[in-house]
Amino acid sequence: DIQMTQSPSSLSASVGDRVTITCRASQSISSFLNWYQQKPGKAPRLLIYAASTLQSGVPSRFSGSGSGTDYTLTISSLQPEDFATYYCQQTYSTPPNTFGQGTKLDIK
Amino acid sequence: QITLQESGPTLVKPTQTLTLTCTFSGFSLTTGGVGVGWIRQPPGKSLEWLALIYWDDDKRYSPSLKNRLTLTRDTSKNQVVLTMTDMDPLDTATYYCARHYGPEFYFDYWGQGTLVTVSS
Repeated sequence: DIQMTQSPSSLSASVGDRVTITCRASQSISSFLNWYQQKPGKAPRLLIYAASTLQSGVPSRFSGSGSGTDYTLTISSLQPEDFATYYCQQTYSTPPNTFGQGTKLDIK
Repeated sequence: QITLQESGPTLVKPTQTLTLTCTFSGFSLTTGGVGVGWIRQPPGKSLEWLALIYWDDDKRYSPSLKNRLTLTRDTSKNQVVLTMTDMDPLDTATYYCARHYGPEFYFDYWGQGTLVTVSS
């Protein structure tokens, strides 16, 4: 299985901050990398697919980048509704399409 | 409008078999590039990919659970059924089904999830 490691595991930030979350794969995944946002008690929501393509309806303050084994999710200016847990997922190798362990973003 | 809904028991006993049904609408599982997957999340933990069935009835299972999982589909009812045998308290989790879309391969629509507790 391809292992996905996110950093940091948790992060405190303020409204208006720029935030970056990193996801590292145990081998190259050729940009088959998705990002999801999950709020408590809710299903995950797709934010970005193929490393950098914004899903329809997702605010443009979210962006993704990366290649090979290293990928980042950036929120350019945090809004109150962005405080949540974020997961990366690789879909280069099936099965399984492994998820990262998550990054919990909370209010400073 | 695309929707998915999981249904099944909320409580199962150890060693029993779990059967979960995903009923979906707004898309067809016979359309090229489309699949339905199952993902679970133990309380307070991360997401775990379980299984995926594709439009052509190809099926993929998590290697760690492969011997316990079976996927079937009923295209006339727009349903996908996941069975998991030999349930253990460690299988306690919220189980989600989600639409899988290619060729970039992502889960773009999710059900609300169903919490399954394994306890005697």
